[in-house]
Amino acid sequence: AQSVTQLGSHVSVSEGALVLLRCNYSSSVPPYLFWYVQYPNQGLQLLLKYTSAATLVKGINGFEAEFKKSETSFHLTKPSAHMSDAAEYFCAVTATGNQFYFGTGTSLTVIP
Amino acid sequence: NAGVMQNPRHLVRRRGQEARLRCSPMKGHSHVYWYRQLPEEGLKFMVYLQKENIIDESGMPKERFSAEFPKEGPSILRIQQVVRGDSAAYFCASSPWQGLEETQYFGPGTRLLVL
Repeated sequence: AQSVTQLGSHVSVSEGALVLLRCNYSSSVPPYLFWYVQYPNQGLQLLLKYTSAATLVKGINGFEAEFKKSETSFHLTKPSAHMSDAAEYFCAVTATGNQFYFGTGTSLTVIP
Repeated sequence: NAGVMQNPRHLVRRRGQEARLRCSPMKGHSHVYWYRQLPEEGLKFMVYLQKENIIDESGMPKERFSAEFPKEGPSILRIQQVVRGDSAAYFCASSPWQGLEETQYFGPGTRLLVL
């Protein structure tokens, strides 16, 4: 069985500050992990994905995430927050490619 | 290359009516997935279809819900006799093939409100 837990349903950062969104996974088999972003009233847009290649994954808009097997984590980071980063972020895991298991999401607020 | 298309974007139904949600996958994609997002929650998998076949419907409620992906035309998620608890955002995703490394591309969703 697979699942993800996103710690912190709401995160606020100042513009220009570090963004850290946490995701911990549970999987009985090697997982494939994804981060998606959702802007209001829109669908999900893929930010980045981990597919067992490099453990540090770089995505769009300056985001990156590091797969840490020992910590079962896949936290999302960005060195400097921009106002346009304000959105809902979802971590997801799959072991079959059929079903994606999503976390409950983290709402990011960027304070000017 | 147009992305995943869903219509309608917003749908209002009264209790007991039927809701039909449509999804046109990206060009070249033959795999379609439906998810439901309840308020303040993440997306929950409902069903996975290929052309003319339901592959995995383990997330689909046993009653009132059905899905199809005909040889021609969009995939349809059908909810009969809607109840207020069906109010949610329904997202469709597509992929060109099924595989662990394959990304699912999501549509903008249909927001269903049951009065």
